[in-house]
Amino acid sequence: SQTIHQWPATLVQPVGSPLSLECTVEGTSNPNLYWYRQAAGRGLQLLFYSVGIGQISSEVPQNLSASRPQDRQFILSSKKLLLSDSGFYLCAWSVRFAGATDGYTFGSGTRLTVV
Amino acid sequence: AQSVTQPDIHITVSEGASLELRCNYSYGATPYLFWYVQSPGQGLQLLLKYFSGDTLVQGIKGFEAEFKRSQSSFNLRKPSVHWSDAAEYFCAVGPINNDMRFGAGTRLTVKP
Repeated sequence: SQTIHQWPATLVQPVGSPLSLECTVEGTSNPNLYWYRQAAGRGLQLLFYSVGIGQISSEVPQNLSASRPQDRQFILSSKKLLLSDSGFYLCAWSVRFAGATDGYTFGSGTRLTVV
Repeated sequence: AQSVTQPDIHITVSEGASLELRCNYSYGATPYLFWYVQSPGQGLQLLLKYFSGDTLVQGIKGFEAEFKRSQSSFNLRKPSVHWSDAAEYFCAVGPINNDMRFGAGTRLTVKP
């Protein structure tokens, strides 16, 4: 069966420090991968998605970046965190269909607090 | 434009009462529709999905949803709410390019 791992679960980082959040998927190949952010009491904001190794699409310009070094690994990074980067970050994967979708499977999330 | 609207930001129901969460969508073709639930501090869990066929779909935890094309709606229902159902609920529609569109969510509070 497929599983998705996301870590760390919680993170407190000072302003200006770097960030690296990792997400890995097991039990599937060639998944679409996604990074979402939830600000407190807000909905889901798509940050990045990837349809293959090295292929990253950015939805929101910001000081975050994403990379996909391996087929089932998706990394969210920042060189210098801002206070506004605080939030709940969710990784998700989906099967790659053409013109269809089977929905997403989400990781358990990372609570990032920038202080 | 393709979008999802959840008109109710917050709903409170008594335990044992019935529940209906509203979802309206805008989509150019036959949509793929989903309901997710999120407990505090957790990721989203898929409750149910609609692709085609029977417009009444059954999901996990006793939830069901009905697709009504004429009303562009996909409302989530449960006959009798349990205290453990308190959570945030998200409706979603896709595919939209390589993504889906999520509603803003409805927070459900269950009164004892």
